[in-house]
Amino acid sequence: GDSVTQMEGPVTLSEEAFLTINCTYTATGYPSLFWYVQYPGEGLQLLLKATKADDKGSNKGFEATYRKETTSFHLEKGSVQVSDSAVYFCALTGYSTLTFGKGTMLLVSP
Amino acid sequence: GAGVSQSPSNKVTEKGKDVELRCDPISGHTALYWYRQRLGQGLEFLIYFQGNSAPDKSGLPSDRFSAERTGESVSTLTIQRTQQEDSAVYLCASSLGAVSYNEQFFGPGTRLTVL
Repeated sequence: GDSVTQMEGPVTLSEEAFLTINCTYTATGYPSLFWYVQYPGEGLQLLLKATKADDKGSNKGFEATYRKETTSFHLEKGSVQVSDSAVYFCALTGYSTLTFGKGTMLLVSP
Repeated sequence: GAGVSQSPSNKVTEKGKDVELRCDPISGHTALYWYRQRLGQGLEFLIYFQGNSAPDKSGLPSDRFSAERTGESVSTLTIQRTQQEDSAVYLCASSLGAVSYNEQFFGPGTRLTVL
């Protein structure tokens, strides 16, 4: 079945540091790929998505590129802020329901 | 015009009791999903409704779990004879349709604690 593997956290960074959160997937067919974010005390919200190979999703300074050859969708940001502290979930959908990774907590200190 | 709402926000129950969790999707969204998030884990898919089609129940962990949806509106997730391992946050999401690239909008969740 479909599965998503993402790096375990927490990831601890200083403000303005570069961020990478790795995500790889296993799926049949051609899934759409997503990053969701869960800020403290809030619900899950979509951060960015890519629907086909080589697409780059971007939002709020975050980027991820759909790499079919490496089955990866790594999340990057050039300069993190304290307000980026949250749990980040990589997910895929092959038909309609989402398969999530376990989440990676990001902690950014001033 | 608000987002997905869920009630109650917190539920504490005793082992063996039944519980009902409610989800109000965004108006006009034909697809509705239930997920479970255990502490330190990712989200597990439970059940999916799309319009008037038969629901996809493939994620329900046991026959103690069931869900209903009236048309394209409110959904109720029922857990019978609750067990301690049912303790989790139960999340509801809705989307415009079943197409894979449609964004799912999540509610704030119901935190269930089974004593």
